[in-house]
Amino acid sequence: TQLLEQSPQFLSIQEGENLTVYCNSSSVFSSLQWYRQEPGEGPVLLVTVVTGGEVKKLKRLTFQFGDARKDSSLHITAAQPGDTGLYLCAGGDIYGGSQGNLIFGKGTKLSVKP
Amino acid sequence: EAQVTQNPRYLITVTGKKLTVTCSQNMNHEYMSWYRQDPGLGLRQIYYSMNVEVTDKGDVPEGYKVSRKEKRNFPLILESPSPNQTSLYFCASSRQGSGNQPQHFGDGTRLSIL
Repeated sequence: TQLLEQSPQFLSIQEGENLTVYCNSSSVFSSLQWYRQEPGEGPVLLVTVVTGGEVKKLKRLTFQFGDARKDSSLHITAAQPGDTGLYLCAGGDIYGGSQGNLIFGKGTKLSVKP
Repeated sequence: EAQVTQNPRYLITVTGKKLTVTCSQNMNHEYMSWYRQDPGLGLRQIYYSMNVEVTDKGDVPEGYKVSRKEKRNFPLILESPSPNQTSLYFCASSRQGSGNQPQHFGDGTRLSIL
């Protein structure tokens, strides 16, 4: 069974600080997706990384897929209160091929205080 | 506007009283799925459907039924709800059932079974 471990589980920081969230597994994934979920809403896709070593930037957010496609990180620079939310990583099941489903981590709950 | 619509958003009911949570998407997506989200357990897949008339069990299918008679609709049925099915439920869709495809989520249904 493929599992994705996210760390930390909770993170509370002040506005302007930098932070990194990790998503790790012993399994290889075909892709890695990051979502943000705000209270009362469903998760919303931020980015998909597909190639080992790939780095994608979305304004102050930087996403990296590990070389071996077993892990990923999300780095936020100069966090703002609007970044508050639950961050979820989800891996594409490499064994499922075109039939594969996503495997979700349990999430990192981020709180950015003004 | 492209969206996944779930109804109802909130429901409080009693043990054993059959209920249906509807899900509809307007993006002509082939793949649809249901998840439940519980504190400490993250998002867990209940059932998914690769296309019309094709449904499969996810990780936690016990106590649930689904149907996919039309491409746009994927209702979740609880024939005899029990308190351990109290949870936050999300419907999601994607163009295809591949791990590389981004999932579009509804805003969730908060279900309380007394």
